[in-house]
Amino acid sequence: QTVVTQEPSLTVSPGGTVTLTCASSTGAVTRGYYPNWIQQKPGQTPRPLIYSTSYKHSWTPARFSGSLLGGKAALTLSGVQPEDEAEYYCLLYYGGAPVFGGGTKLTVL
Amino acid sequence: QVQLVQSGAEVKKPGASVKVSCKASGSTFTSTNYGISWVRQAPGQGLEWMGWIIVYNGNTNYAQKFQGRVTMTTDTSTSTAYMEVGSLRSDDTAVYFCARVVVEGAAPVRADFWGQGTLVTVSS
Repeated sequence: QTVVTQEPSLTVSPGGTVTLTCASSTGAVTRGYYPNWIQQKPGQTPRPLIYSTSYKHSWTPARFSGSLLGGKAALTLSGVQPEDEAEYYCLLYYGGAPVFGGGTKLTVL
Repeated sequence: QVQLVQSGAEVKKPGASVKVSCKASGSTFTSTNYGISWVRQAPGQGLEWMGWIIVYNGNTNYAQKFQGRVTMTTDTSTSTAYMEVGSLRSDDTAVYFCARVVVEGAAPVRADFWGQGTLVTVSS
């Protein structure tokens, strides 16, 4: 069974920069897994932010960026805002069978 | 703007079935480029992919965990997708989301627009 691993929690100060990562139990994450990043705030519908590693949706703020870093998918937030406090999920596509990571709870403090 | 509107909350007894609907508007439902994925979230837990259906050809792919117990269908005349879960258990209590997925090749590679979610409660 494929497992996608994320940091359970991270804390960042307002205005700071933070990087969330996403690892695959099958080995290095590549563009072929079409890494997606999804934000979810309590009681709200998930909101996609990044797809295919680094592409942004039309609604994605410029401070969010996606990349590959050290064999993992990565989501970097630069100039963090208080409203960025949320759960962030990584999603990898394994030949059409997506697997979610467990989520990273980002606290802005 | 694409909108996915899901059916309302359900309360079911263990062993029963539930069918959740997801009505799409604002895009070409039968386009070869799109499908519908279903994702669930148990209380206080993360997101769990259940499966997807490619609308124009009806191809489905279910997560192994749900094979034999989940059926995904579409009605192109009403631009509505359906997901039915049978043999419900208490641990099926969750919010169920539909999401439009973009297809490249023969499989989805991203989900862009999401429904508002449907709470299904399984309780005796």
